[in-house]
Amino acid sequence: AQSVTQLDSQVPVFEEAPVELRCNYSSSVSVYLFWYVQYPNQGLQLLLKYLSGSTLVKGINGFEAEFNKSQTSFHLRKPSVHISDTAEYFCAVSDRGNYGGSQGNLIFGKGTKLSVKP
Amino acid sequence: ETGVTQTPRHLVMGMTNKKSLKCEQHLGHNAMYWYKQSAKKPLELMFVYSLEERVENNSVPSRFSPECPNSSHLFLHLHTLQPEDSALYLCASSQGRMNTEAFFGQGTRLTVV
Repeated sequence: AQSVTQLDSQVPVFEEAPVELRCNYSSSVSVYLFWYVQYPNQGLQLLLKYLSGSTLVKGINGFEAEFNKSQTSFHLRKPSVHISDTAEYFCAVSDRGNYGGSQGNLIFGKGTKLSVKP
Repeated sequence: ETGVTQTPRHLVMGMTNKKSLKCEQHLGHNAMYWYKQSAKKPLELMFVYSLEERVENNSVPSRFSPECPNSSHLFLHLHTLQPEDSALYLCASSQGRMNTEAFFGQGTRLTVV
């Protein structure tokens, strides 16, 4: 079974500062990795995903994430945040193959609330 | 308009009531999901429908009953709920299940009184 740990429940940061939101996962099989964002009173929207290939993945709104297999991490970064980036960010993992049980279902972390201050 | 629409957006119900949540997707997807989002807990996958058949039921109490009449519609029927069932219920859809992006609705905020 997979699991996802988001180490920080809240991250306050000033506008135009860089930010990193941490995500670690555990899995006995190969996985796909995702970051979703949830704005207040909204559903979840995909920011980016890692399926294969380059370990550095670029997403929407200037976000990027790097897959590190040895550290089982998939941290999300943005070099300069805006007030509009204030939201909750969710890391998610799904398994790749026919291992029975939850094939391809997204397993989410608890989320990190990013608060961007002027 | 979002590709996945949920109604109602807010629902308050008593423990003896029966209500239903509705989800409709306009994306031509063949898999649909119900998730429960509670404060300070990870999103919990409740049910998965693939090609209109329920393929997963993750130990959800029987007071929650899903229905998928066709590939575009998904319902969650609620009866005799408990206050701890108060949460945001999110519907999602995807084309296939592995390595694909899931599209989420805006959710239904359910309060059980």
